[in-house]
Amino acid sequence: AQSVSQHNHHVILSEAASLELGCNYSYGGTVNLFWYVQYPGQHLQLLLKYFSGDPLVKGIKGFEAEFIKSKFSFNLRKPSVQWSDTAEYFCAVNANTGNQFYFGTGTSLTVIP
Amino acid sequence: DSGVTQTPKHLITATGQRVTLRCSPRSGDLSVYWYQQSLDQGLQFLIQYYNGEERAKGNILERFSAQQFPDLHSELNLSSLELGDSALYFCASSPRLWVNEQFFGPGTRLTVL
Repeated sequence: AQSVSQHNHHVILSEAASLELGCNYSYGGTVNLFWYVQYPGQHLQLLLKYFSGDPLVKGIKGFEAEFIKSKFSFNLRKPSVQWSDTAEYFCAVNANTGNQFYFGTGTSLTVIP
Repeated sequence: DSGVTQTPKHLITATGQRVTLRCSPRSGDLSVYWYQQSLDQGLQFLIQYYNGEERAKGNILERFSAQQFPDLHSELNLSSLELGDSALYFCASSPRLWVNEQFFGPGTRLTVL
């Protein structure tokens, strides 16, 4: 079975600091990769996704992620975080041939003004 | 607003009871997914329906069942409720059978006392 690991459970940063959240998955086949964000009191929203092509994917609000196939990783990055980035971030994987989504347990990001 | 609606927003009930959660997908979306989000297990995929038919099953308990109606709304039925069933239940929808992006509803918070 597929699984997704997010090693950082809680991250606290000051505004303008750089962010990198780790995501590793276990699946040997072709995958689709996603990062979702859940702002306090809101529903999950898609930040970015990777299906194929350029492994560096740019999403909304200045976020980007890099797919490294050899490392089974899809880390999320942002060069300079803002207070409004405070949220829960979820990495998700979907096998190219399946319907199931596998989510990581999430990383809670707190940005201090 | 993702266009996916869920009712009720909050539900408080007692152990042993049965409840029904409702989800209306985005207009035109044929797939509906149900997820359970608990503090200790993160976001767990439960089940997927596509155009009225069950298409994928995840970690769904036998006490839980779901269905998708001709108008494409879906209901998740939880019976013989236990304290451990307390969680946020999310519904998501997507246009097609093979997922490339899901749109999440605001969730139903279930509390079992």
